[in-house]
Amino acid sequence: GAVVSQHPSWVICKSGTSVKIECRSLDFQATTMFWYRQFPKQSLMLMATSNEGSKATYEQGVEKDKFLINHASLTLSTLTVTSAHPEDSSFYICSARAGTNGMNTEAFFGQGTRLTVV
Amino acid sequence: AQSVSQHNHHVILSEAASLELGCNYSYGGTVNLFWYVQYPGQHLQLLLKYFSGDPLVKGIKGFEAEFIKSKFSFNLRKPSVQWSDTAEYFCAVNPGGYNKLIFGAGTRLAVHP
Repeated sequence: GAVVSQHPSWVICKSGTSVKIECRSLDFQATTMFWYRQFPKQSLMLMATSNEGSKATYEQGVEKDKFLINHASLTLSTLTVTSAHPEDSSFYICSARAGTNGMNTEAFFGQGTRLTVV
Repeated sequence: AQSVSQHNHHVILSEAASLELGCNYSYGGTVNLFWYVQYPGQHLQLLLKYFSGDPLVKGIKGFEAEFIKSKFSFNLRKPSVQWSDTAEYFCAVNPGGYNKLIFGAGTRLAVHP
């Protein structure tokens, strides 16, 4: 299957700083990228969906000014957690697929980023 | 609100035992259905998917799932598990052509030799 690479795998940052997480599709053009957040023993919660060159669509309850998503190219999307606080500590996972309608093409997942805010 | 329920959070089996993991969803319209697996330290990988046609879907590694529309269910099965099936399994639903997946909480499967 196609490869989605997420970087970094883990990061520790101080409260109040910003952290950027990168998601790259290595061997296909990802017209759509998804960002998820996963709490321990809970499901993946969709935070936002971004189509290349467009503004991201955020799910209800997700602060778009806090979780900045950029999808400037067909192979790269970034999630920036701004002014991070301990409650932002979580596991963040990106997913990428070719296509923008429905889910008729497979979505591939990155390995996730463990963010710890101290 | 759309949701996906996985009934078992933890399952422990011996090798060669049969497996069935439950998945129910709440959405009245057309859905596409998926099972993903996450082996320790690895990415989520697609096991199988259902879009239309035969409601009994066969996936990789001997897994299959059956879509029962009347029960809003998409249970995952494997007749004989192996130690290497130890992983976390996620059911996911794509409602009505929307460009997103809704995941269940996952089931952690441990298979003992």
